[in-house]
Amino acid sequence: EAGVVQSPRYKIIEKKQPVAFWCNPISGHNTLYWYRQNLGQGPELLIRYENEEAVDDSQLPKDRFSAERLKGVDSTLKIQPAELGDSAVYLCASSSFSGDNEQYFGPGTRLTVT
Amino acid sequence: GQQLNQSPQSMFIQEGEDVSMNCTSSSIFNTWLWYKQDPGEGPVLLIALYKAGELTSNGRLTAQFGITRKDSFLNISASIPSDVGIYFCAGQPLTGTYKYIFGTGTRLKVLA
Repeated sequence: EAGVVQSPRYKIIEKKQPVAFWCNPISGHNTLYWYRQNLGQGPELLIRYENEEAVDDSQLPKDRFSAERLKGVDSTLKIQPAELGDSAVYLCASSSFSGDNEQYFGPGTRLTVT
Repeated sequence: GQQLNQSPQSMFIQEGEDVSMNCTSSSIFNTWLWYKQDPGEGPVLLIALYKAGELTSNGRLTAQFGITRKDSFLNISASIPSDVGIYFCAGQPLTGTYKYIFGTGTRLKVLA
């Protein structure tokens, strides 16, 4: 079974530029999560989708971050414009309603904003 | 954002030694997950716990769901060099279906 796929793996951009991250969850997983992981810390939730509905986006900085999950499968997370403090690893995870609440993570996208 | 307390923050151990780490919260959780993260990779799920007092093993790893439902423990027996990495706990609060809060991580270094 294929795991969570993310791209790109690495991205370096200048501040004020836009950037987008893509995630394809495990097949059949209804719930998709985007996390941000700062250096030396645990992941922190940005947004959680149940199918195509964003059910928890309280931690998403909505002035510059946006996300979508069209058709309830793939998801895209966008930052526009990026700031220096956005440098982090952006992780996508998925889980299944009918499963056991276990989240499975992708490899992450390491973003560096210069 | 909120993060759970993990202890210790980091540890150096000799190959072959047993390792213990824990995760504590001020809130009650109904699920605990333990992950390992290698450099440049996403966290990999090791063990999942669903009931207070539950003890679950995965090879040399054993995790326990604390009786108070506010803590969890992970033990690694007979450590080997590939155990090096960062171990994270994640707890699911009673009020947050499918939402997990992560710990601050325990960085493990194994000396051969």
